[in-house]
Amino acid sequence: GAVVSQHPSRVICKSGTSVKIECRSLDFQATTMFWYRQFPKKSLMLMATSNEGSKATYEQGVEKDKFLINHASLTLSTLTVTSAHPEDSSFYICSARGQNQPQHFGDGTRLSIL
Amino acid sequence: GIQVEQSPPDLILQEGANSTLRCNFSDSVNNLQWFHQNPWGQLINLFYIPSGTKQNGRLSATTVATERYSLLYISSSQTTDSGVYFCAVGANRDDKIIFGKGTRLHILP
Repeated sequence: GAVVSQHPSRVICKSGTSVKIECRSLDFQATTMFWYRQFPKKSLMLMATSNEGSKATYEQGVEKDKFLINHASLTLSTLTVTSAHPEDSSFYICSARGQNQPQHFGDGTRLSIL
Repeated sequence: GIQVEQSPPDLILQEGANSTLRCNFSDSVNNLQWFHQNPWGQLINLFYIPSGTKQNGRLSATTVATERYSLLYISSSQTTDSGVYFCAVGANRDDKIIFGKGTRLHILP
């Protein structure tokens, strides 16, 4: 149980493109979803927390207009990197948590902006 | 906010060896998880252990909440145990979790 599906697993696109990443909880209702960013050989850095039906809460220093988060249902959250540039290249990981449950993570999306 | 420190940062062991990874945290927590990130980036839940001791095969973990640390034990290491082990903590069960910097484990055949 507690499977989180994230896709795409890998994206390569040109500078200026907007990229959408999906995170789905397959077998449970995710009351809260989290989005993380990880640079090579570094730890996971929380970008934002989203609760179904409400606006995401962004961590300090994360541009909400650059990283748009939508959590429209109890099983789906999306992260859109708008007008992506090479410095946005990174590994993005989502997690989902049900009521009184620990977080379960997707397999991550490796984003490369040329 | 809560600070999380993991040690050692790097560990190289021969296959078959045992290891102990440590996670110290600066404040009371009601959420503590251990993860293994494999070379492909996948994060695997190992333990949800805000207190007490748990075992799963060759892995076990102990959290002493009053002394603000947790230990992850790996026995009879295998090459597939290689990767980065992260400890993540949260003040409340339903709160966000903060990751430590991880311990990079390399098991030699």
